[in-house]
Amino acid sequence: QVQLQESGPGLVKPSETLSLTCTVSGGSITSYYWSWIRQPPGKGLEWIGYIFYSGSTNYNPSLKSRVTISVDTSKNQFSLKLTSVTAADTAVYYCARCGYSYNYPSYYYYYMDVWGRGTTVTVSS
Amino acid sequence: QSALTQPASVSGSPGQSITISCTGTSSDVGAYNYVSWYQQHPGKAPKLMICDVSNRPSGVSNRFSGSKSGNTASLTISGLQAEDEADYYCSSYTSSSTLVVFGGGTKLTVL
Repeated sequence: QVQLQESGPGLVKPSETLSLTCTVSGGSITSYYWSWIRQPPGKGLEWIGYIFYSGSTNYNPSLKSRVTISVDTSKNQFSLKLTSVTAADTAVYYCARCGYSYNYPSYYYYYMDVWGRGTTVTVSS
Repeated sequence: QSALTQPASVSGSPGQSITISCTGTSSDVGAYNYVSWYQQHPGKAPKLMICDVSNRPSGVSNRFSGSKSGNTASLTISGLQAEDEADYYCSSYTSSSTLVVFGGGTKLTVL
């Protein structure tokens, strides 16, 4: 079955760029949307954004100015970059596959049916 | 502050049933039948339990059920078991530019 694994630095300095990669195994990255979600310590989940295998993206407006999600279909990977980080960006970051519902003529990608284990990123000098 | 409102905590005894509410607006829960629920044990990734308001993915126990009335969705767990003790999050598609919103989470304690 499809499995996801996040990778990247666990410590990032304030004002620098957080970069994470999610590797998809057991299935192809094509034909799905792929999400990033984060969870600050002791808090709830926050959707960051998602990308279609073709490269089409949607971002949470609260993070849009700082976020870039990209995809590399040749490596079955997608990535997250978050610029100008502060302590408020300290969180567990999850990558996930997006499931969808279809109601003619639109597809609604909104739930996450396969999750990675998550990776902790701390922003500190 | 989360877009969807959930109670901070609920509790129940083994064998009992509990219901967790998730209140949104006419732009999200009230507008679409696109509500999902996730279970998260401490230190673990969330697990999808319900999608499309009431559909259970393969492998999810039929003790978990979902429903919706107006702007409020609900997750009901029947026959509570110790392993059900976890945090539960609701989520909805939204017509706002956010697209996906979560609730603040509910901690379920099995007494």
